[in-house]
Amino acid sequence: EVQLVQSGAEVKKPGESLKISCEASGYSFTIYWIGWVRQMPGKGLEWMGFISPVDSNPRYSPSFQGQVTISADKSISTAYLQWSSLKASDTAIYYCARRGSPDPAFDIWGQGTLVTVSS
Amino acid sequence: EIVLTQSPGTLSLSPGERATLSCRASQSVSSSYLAWYQQKPGQAPRLLIYGASSRATGIPDRFSGSGSGTDFTLTISRLEPEDFAVYYCHQYADSPRTFGQGTKLEIK
Repeated sequence: EVQLVQSGAEVKKPGESLKISCEASGYSFTIYWIGWVRQMPGKGLEWMGFISPVDSNPRYSPSFQGQVTISADKSISTAYLQWSSLKASDTAIYYCARRGSPDPAFDIWGQGTLVTVSS
Repeated sequence: EIVLTQSPGTLSLSPGERATLSCRASQSVSSSYLAWYQQKPGQAPRLLIYGASSRATGIPDRFSGSGSGTDFTLTISRLEPEDFAVYYCHQYADSPRTFGQGTKLEIK
């Protein structure tokens, strides 16, 4: 079964760092890019960026450039999203999603990771 | 950046009725790289339609997509109880990728 399994919910304080993960299984990890999508409480979906598992070269939405770091480790079929200094406004559900091929819509989604940032 | 505007914001219908959801883009979406997703409470989005009109794997044929350029439509021919959810359109023709604000389909 093709699936993306994300790490569990996190509760952090402002200023702390965090790295969440997205593990792929059931397909060849290096063939498909992985994207990250944010959903703030009660709000819609926002694309954050992509990572190419082949060369680990990230592409960011301008809205998220400099705010997060996207990376991948193809040896363990896992993509990551990390923050160096969290803010309360980072509270959201974060989804990873596979960019399909040949049509590059997001065809497979992880279950989401809830990140809560509160003092 | 391509802005997607969905209408209506909320659609109240009964099971068995036909639902028509609209997505309008601020500029033309090339290659019809327009998708529709369904999201139920507490769940991740699920791909329904890609390429404006192609159904994703396992999606019932009561779901159909149409349109090109700046105007796109998702139609659900006969609503089933499990279809009541939030629906998002998404353009992936241009960077940054963008989503519409969503249409909530609720039971009347």
